[in-house]
Amino acid sequence: EDQVTQSPEALRLQEGESSSLNCSYTVSGLRGLFWYRQDPGKGPEFLFTLYSAGEEKEKERLKATLTKKESFLHITAPKPEDSATYLCAVHYNNNDMRFGAGTRLTVKP
Amino acid sequence: DVKVTQSSRYLVKRTGEKVFLECVQDMDHENMFWYRQDPGLGLRLIYFSYDVKMKEKGDIPEGYSVSREKKERFSLILESASTNQTSMYLCASSRRSGGETQYFGPGTRLLVL
Repeated sequence: EDQVTQSPEALRLQEGESSSLNCSYTVSGLRGLFWYRQDPGKGPEFLFTLYSAGEEKEKERLKATLTKKESFLHITAPKPEDSATYLCAVHYNNNDMRFGAGTRLTVKP
Repeated sequence: DVKVTQSSRYLVKRTGEKVFLECVQDMDHENMFWYRQDPGLGLRLIYFSYDVKMKEKGDIPEGYSVSREKKERFSLILESASTNQTSMYLCASSRRSGGETQYFGPGTRLLVL
């Protein structure tokens, strides 16, 4: 069965404590992997798209990487304003898109 | 910047009512999507549309219908609302089929009593 699994479900960090979020997938014919940030009560906001294994993208304190089975979102020296839910989504086959359940990140000052 | 707007941020309806959720995008995107988001389940696709007057069922279309009479507008209809349709509803649009980035609206939180 095609699945996208994000771990951990929730992550609490101290400000400045770097960590990684994981998105693993079991789909065939990957065409792209997307990362989104979602603040409470709002719609997801696009962060990155990765298309092939080995690809990396960076934006401020965030770096996304992709392998054949999973993607990581690395957060370096996070700040309280990085607190949000981070979603990944996988585009596969022709037009199929599947979202993970998200990782809820809390960064304490 | 892409802008996707949804007609209501919060709605409270009663069981059996007909509910309309509207979504408008201003970037001339061909594709539009309706999702619902529930804790622990992630986003689940209800319906999508690749063109005007065109619609395709997603993973959970039961109890919903959609309408796309104009390119910029995509409506989600709950024919007879039920309590299990209490959820956050998110609309999204993208430039072409699936592979392009989807841009989301702010969401509508629907409570069915």
